[in-house]
Amino acid sequence: DGGITQSPKYLFRKEGQNVTLSCEQNLNHDAMYWYRQDPGQGLRLIYYSQIVNDFQKGDIAEGYSVSREKKESFPLTVTSAQKNPTAFYLCASSIRTGGYEQYFGPGTRLTVT
Amino acid sequence: AQKVTQAQTEISVVEKEDVTLDCVYETRDTTYYLFWYKQPPSGELVFLIRRNSFDEQNEISGRYSWNFQKSTSSFNFTITASQVVDSAVYFCALSEDSNYQLIWGAGTKLIIKP
Repeated sequence: DGGITQSPKYLFRKEGQNVTLSCEQNLNHDAMYWYRQDPGQGLRLIYYSQIVNDFQKGDIAEGYSVSREKKESFPLTVTSAQKNPTAFYLCASSIRTGGYEQYFGPGTRLTVT
Repeated sequence: AQKVTQAQTEISVVEKEDVTLDCVYETRDTTYYLFWYKQPPSGELVFLIRRNSFDEQNEISGRYSWNFQKSTSSFNFTITASQVVDSAVYFCALSEDSNYQLIWGAGTKLIIKP
């Protein structure tokens, strides 16, 4: 079954700790994305990657970091510098960037206390 | 600047009613793409449809239909004979050839009452 997996589904961390969210896809897509969604809000782009070893900041990259060492994987690290990290994080992929539909993983709900 | 407006924050209807979700977009590009996604309570976004700016034909898929009108910059989504399982937040999005990012609307929460 092709798709996008994110783990874990729920994640709890103490303030001041860095945390890494996993995103894996087996769709052979070049492009991958990370979004943040706050309750009752739309999606905001954190980072995106058009190809392996390349990534670009989105609208709200501050306090986050990513890597793209493999085509299948695009992990997101939420650092202690992110002031309001509690949110729902969604990973997506598409064949390429541009006008292609994005397919989403199930998301990770991060709670930082 | 590009923009997507979903003016309906929340819609509530009784099961079996038809319902239309509005989406109005702004762009200066002549080549662009429009999308609809569904986000059920589980949270995962489900892709529904992609339309390019050169194809104004309406699309029908089962109980779902989409009306793309360039003259009014709208890409509206209609659910016929709604069902409780249609309850979700629906997002409209825009992608331009000149911009790698998807521009998202704020979403419309659809509640279907039994």
